[in-house]
Amino acid sequence: DTEVTQTPKHLVMGMTNKKSLKCEQHMGHRAMYWYKQKAKKPPELMFVYSYEKLSINESVPSRFSPECPNSSLLNLHLHALQPEDSALYLCASSPGLAGGRRYNEQFFGPGTRLTVL
Amino acid sequence: ELKVEQNPLFLSMQEGKNYTIYCNYSTTSDRLYWYRQDPGKSLESLFVLLSNGAVKQEGRLMASLDTKARLSTLHITAAVHDLSATYFCAVVGSRAGNMLTFGGGTRLMVKP
Repeated sequence: DTEVTQTPKHLVMGMTNKKSLKCEQHMGHRAMYWYKQKAKKPPELMFVYSYEKLSINESVPSRFSPECPNSSLLNLHLHALQPEDSALYLCASSPGLAGGRRYNEQFFGPGTRLTVL
Repeated sequence: ELKVEQNPLFLSMQEGKNYTIYCNYSTTSDRLYWYRQDPGKSLESLFVLLSNGAVKQEGRLMASLDTKARLSTLHITAAVHDLSATYFCAVVGSRAGNMLTFGGGTRLMVKP
């Protein structure tokens, strides 16, 4: 399996809802990432998990809560979002140290298109 | 802080023409990635450049890296409509966590 999968593909939620985004990879990668991408902009890094531990939080508001249950799974829990949080949320993974010189080559999932009403 | 600049940000070109997209970055790095993104889709890895002087080619696209000049180029040869997309370069900085810093993207439109 050489891909990163994300569910759902699309999500519409109200500002009082709680929802979760899911990301999965079975490439044995040890680093996983969440990005947020607004239209016509580059992806913005939100969180990095390295060997299942949160290593980077780019000052993301607490209404976004990441979770890494195991080395293949990454979740992003959403609560009390704002309309400006509407964006494409991308998950990525990279090999980590076992990947040699390509240890930080990131492979992206198809994304979840989130709309907050 | 690592900054990555791409230019142009928007490029409209005729089929059959050649053009180059530039990616400049501000601090030392020896690894750079090029990605393609179609509208509403995810990022597809195009090239991985891991050393000074690296040159990679795939079809009508060729990427190169000059770490001394802190510059990468993505050259398009005899453009076709299917190449229309947004192209991002991304550079690994010195900060821990395998972080990529993305350029602003170049939106390419190839007209028949």
